[in-house]
Amino acid sequence: EVQLVESGGGLVQPGGSLRLSCVASGFTFENYWMTWVRQAPGKGLEWVANIKHDGSEKSCVDSVKGRFTVSRDNAKNSLYLQMNSLRAEDTAVYYCARDMDGDWDAVDIWGQGTMVTVSS
Amino acid sequence: QSALTQPPSASGSPGQSVTISCTGTSSDVGGYNYVSWYQQHPGKAPKLMIYGVYKRPSGVPDRFSGSKSGNTASLTVSGLQGDDEADYYCSSYAGTNTDVFGTGTKVTVL
Repeated sequence: EVQLVESGGGLVQPGGSLRLSCVASGFTFENYWMTWVRQAPGKGLEWVANIKHDGSEKSCVDSVKGRFTVSRDNAKNSLYLQMNSLRAEDTAVYYCARDMDGDWDAVDIWGQGTMVTVSS
Repeated sequence: QSALTQPPSASGSPGQSVTISCTGTSSDVGGYNYVSWYQQHPGKAPKLMIYGVYKRPSGVPDRFSGSKSGNTASLTVSGLQGDDEADYYCSSYAGTNTDVFGTGTKVTVL
């Protein structure tokens, strides 16, 4: 079964750091671009960052540039999101997602999400 | 990287059709044929319904269809069913390996 399982969410104070992890199974992880998407409570989806198969290319939304870093370890079938200098507005469910095979720029597999709460 | 614009809500009776618009700019929706649509039920992860403007993933009913004209993409759900009641989000490639989502539309089946 194709699956993505996130972990690492929790409560953190403003200015703090958190590292999210996502373990993939059921597919050849190293062949796919991967993406992080977040959703603030009661709000819409927001694209956060993505990373190429081999980690050689990464992009992120302007609001997290300089604070968040996406990375991957293909040997461990794992995707990561290092989040520093966290702000209240970063509070959200963070989804790990797999980009579709082929150059379609769409996400076909989603994890269940992990909640990040930034509050004092 | 401004969110694409969708109407907050849309509704229809069972069996009817509803169409949701997704308006962007020439830098995203209008510039690429990489528009996708996602369905999200409360408390659940999103599900891909349409990709490449009009293509359906395996398992998605043909009641769901997509199109695009200029800077506006559209999702039409025909033959509305109770389970179609959900939030729908469009997404588009926005250049330099970035994507942008729409503001979301809540579809209600009356």
